[in-house]
Formats: sequence, structure tokens, C-alpha cells
Amino acid sequence: DSGVTQTPKHLITATGQRVTLRCSPRSGDLSVYWYQQSLDQGLQFLIQYYNGEERAKGNILERFSAQQFPDLHSELNLSSLELGDSALYFCASSVGQGSTYEQYFGPGTRLTVT
Amino acid sequence: LAKTTQPISMDSYEGQEVNITCSHNNIATNDYITWYQQFPSQGPRFIIQGYKTKVTNEVASLFIPADRKSSTLSLPRVSLSDTAVYYCLPWGGSARQLTFGSGTQLTVLP
Repeated sequence: DSGVTQTPKHLITATGQRVTLRCSPRSGDLSVYWYQQSLDQGLQFLIQYYNGEERAKGNILERFSAQQFPDLHSELNLSSLELGDSALYFCASSVGQGSTYEQYFGPGTRLTVT
Repeated sequence: LAKTTQPISMDSYEGQEVNITCSHNNIATNDYITWYQQFPSQGPRFIIQGYKTKVTNEVASLFIPADRKSSTLSLPRVSLSDTAVYYCLPWGGSARQLTFGSGTQLTVLP
């Protein structure tokens, strides 16, 4: 158990819909990362927050957005969903914001868009 | 951008030492090299991190030559439970560099 929690575990929704994925980082971790993993794309970095502020953006679509709240939990919002958005979405957290800090990954949310 | 190249798959037998090499020719000066392990439908898990020479912890060793253009993860005496995908990640803290490669599927056979 990494100490990172993600809800829900599974999500099934239809095309065009909007969903929110939630992540609670490990106690004391200030940095949160979001990743998407699909069979054909591998593990893709989406976005990073550090202590409530957006720090880095990766391959995140404009239909996707995220935020980190004062209590440090984070939410990833996916809108106008397409079939290709079906994937595992992982959240990770670390104490600091740089590359020397180990990232702890959550169990993931499996999103299925039908 | 430190693009990585790893073998797609490797097979080994229980009790053997396994070495997985990752090539990262364009590694930047401030990049650290981190290796992660991932089991099916689970999030990756940190194994080891290093900058140069050799690093060892309770589960693995990491060898990084002087030019840092490659790194080798060494798993001593693997067991069936080590069957997983292994990723190397050279990263200096920039979003553009945070790219996990395709990883190496290690299969440990009895």
C-alpha cells in the first residue's frame, strides 16, 4: 500500500459525458502527478501540482483539467469523453517537486467509455 | 529530451541474476535515473534511483557508467514475484522530460 488513495476504482460512462477522478496523496506529500495509461500509449504524464499550484504540464488534452485543493487532495476532470479516453488513470505523490523525490503511485482508476 | 530504449521483454529463471539495460543517449546534466516496477493493473513502484556510478538498496543495484548514457538495473536472485514491467526514467524535473518509455516485460520462469 503506497498510501495514495484514488476513487473511484472503476468508472463506466458514455461518450460525451464528464467525470471527476479523485486522488488523496500520502500524508505530508505536497506534489501530485496525474498519468494516463492505455494499451497503445503506455504511461503518459498529464500534469503536476505542487502545494496547490500547477507546476508542470505534459500531454494533457484541453478537455481535461485538474486542480489541487488546500487539503492537498487533487481532482482530474475529464469532459466530452471519447472512446479513446478509456484507460487507467494513476495519481502519484511525492514530498517535493523535483526529480530526486520518489513518486508513490495510487492503485488507479479504470475508466471505460462506451 | 532523454528518450529511452529498453528491451521489450526478457525471460529468466528463478534464482538467477537479471540485468536490464536502458539506453538514454540524450541524458541531461541534471537528470537523475529512476527505475520503477509495475505489476498488471497496479501503479508503478519505485525501485531505485541514482545519478552516477553504483547504487544499491535492499532489492536491487543500479549501475551507471561515467558517460551516463545508459544504466543497468540488476536484480539478484529473481523469484516468480519479480515478473513485472520495469521502466527506467531519466528525469531532471522538467515536464517535457517526464516520459516513461515502453518498459521491459520481465518474465521469471520456474
